[in-house]
Parts: sequence; C-alpha cells; structure tokens
Amino acid sequence: KAGVTQTPRYLIKTRGQQVTLSCSPISGHRSVSWYQQTPGQGLQFLFEYFSETQRNKGNFPGRFSGRQFSNSRSEMNVSTLELGDSALYLCASSLARDREAFFGQGTRLTVV
Amino acid sequence: GENVGLHLPTLSVQEGDNSIINCAYSNSASDYFIWYKQESGKGPQFIIDIRSNMDKRQGQRVTVLLNKTVKHLSLQIAATQPGDSAVYFCAELLHNTDKLIFGTGTRLQVFP
Repeated sequence: KAGVTQTPRYLIKTRGQQVTLSCSPISGHRSVSWYQQTPGQGLQFLFEYFSETQRNKGNFPGRFSGRQFSNSRSEMNVSTLELGDSALYLCASSLARDREAFFGQGTRLTVV
Repeated sequence: GENVGLHLPTLSVQEGDNSIINCAYSNSASDYFIWYKQESGKGPQFIIDIRSNMDKRQGQRVTVLLNKTVKHLSLQIAATQPGDSAVYFCAELLHNTDKLIFGTGTRLQVFP
C-alpha cells in the first residue's frame, strides 16, 4: 500500500510570504503529525491531528497552523515566513497513539 | 521547540561487526518508544518499537533494549552492513499524549 505522501518536495519562498504544505497519510491512518527538522534543533513536534481535531501542539508560534480533512489528509500553513523557518517539514501517520508512525519524505522549505 | 539536537554523535563500525546505539530519554512516564533510521534526503524510517511493559524486543538483525530504571534505550544491529549507514533517532511517546519526542540522533558510519 502507498506510504505517506507529502507535496511539494521542495519549496522556495520569500520572507513575509505564507506557505501551505500537504500530507496524505497511509490509507486507514487517522492520526497525522507534523514535525520540523533543522540541523540545529533536530526533529521537533509541531502538532497532531486525529479525526479532524488537533489533539496535541508543540511549542511553536501561532504562525504555524494546520488542519485535517475528513479523508484524513492534512495541511500545515506557515504565515509571515521568517528565514529561521527554513527546514525539512515532515508528516507522519499512524493508526493509533501507540502504534508505529510512518513518515513521508518531507517538504524542504527554503526561505530567502 | 522541545527537542535538543545541537550535537550529533557518530559511531563508526566495520562491516560485519555489531553496532550498539544508545539513547537517554527524558520522561519516566513515557510508555512507548520507537527507533527510526534516516538516510540523507529521506524521511525517518521506522525500525522497531517497544512498549514500556517490555525490556527487550527483537526484529530482523535489530534488538531494542529498554532500561526504565535509568531511562535508557539501546538499538543493537547485528552484522552491520554498509546500507545501515544513516542517522538513527530514538523517540519517546509521552504518556496520555500523541506527542513523539525525538532524541538528538546518532550517525552510524559503516566501513568496508
């Protein structure tokens, strides 16, 4: 079965712009989580959605938001982009909280 | 953010040797742990998981050991191969949350 799909794979944006990233989870997975990965800070949890509801949120500013649709697909949005938002954004899906989470390839965002 | 990831330790091993990658987790209430492998340009790949009611779990060529007394997790890879070269992350799932907290990561380099 298909894995977690993230689009786009690469993105270049200018400071001040906003961006929307998309994640399609593995079929049947209702939990979708987002992570930011940078060389300096490692993998950091952004938020988690289950059945269209945000259940957990990490320590990121309000410029970072997300949502989940009825088909479990999820989007995350970053507004008023800053240079420090340049990172690999990863999405993971799982069946339940204590079941393995499978990651997508990520979206590489570069803010110039 | 919540993750600390400023330094990436490196483990160098010869092909065919066994590798042991260690991880200290932070929360004694965490009840589920996962090891991930991340190759350059790819998202983290699930390797093996273990629940807090277990001390050891074996997979194909991999074994995870959990020591709850000292909050320590280890990943043992038998007969390490060049294809095992990657960054390895441990992750803990905080009790009653869906928030995966990742360790700093260890780079494994396998030499022929």
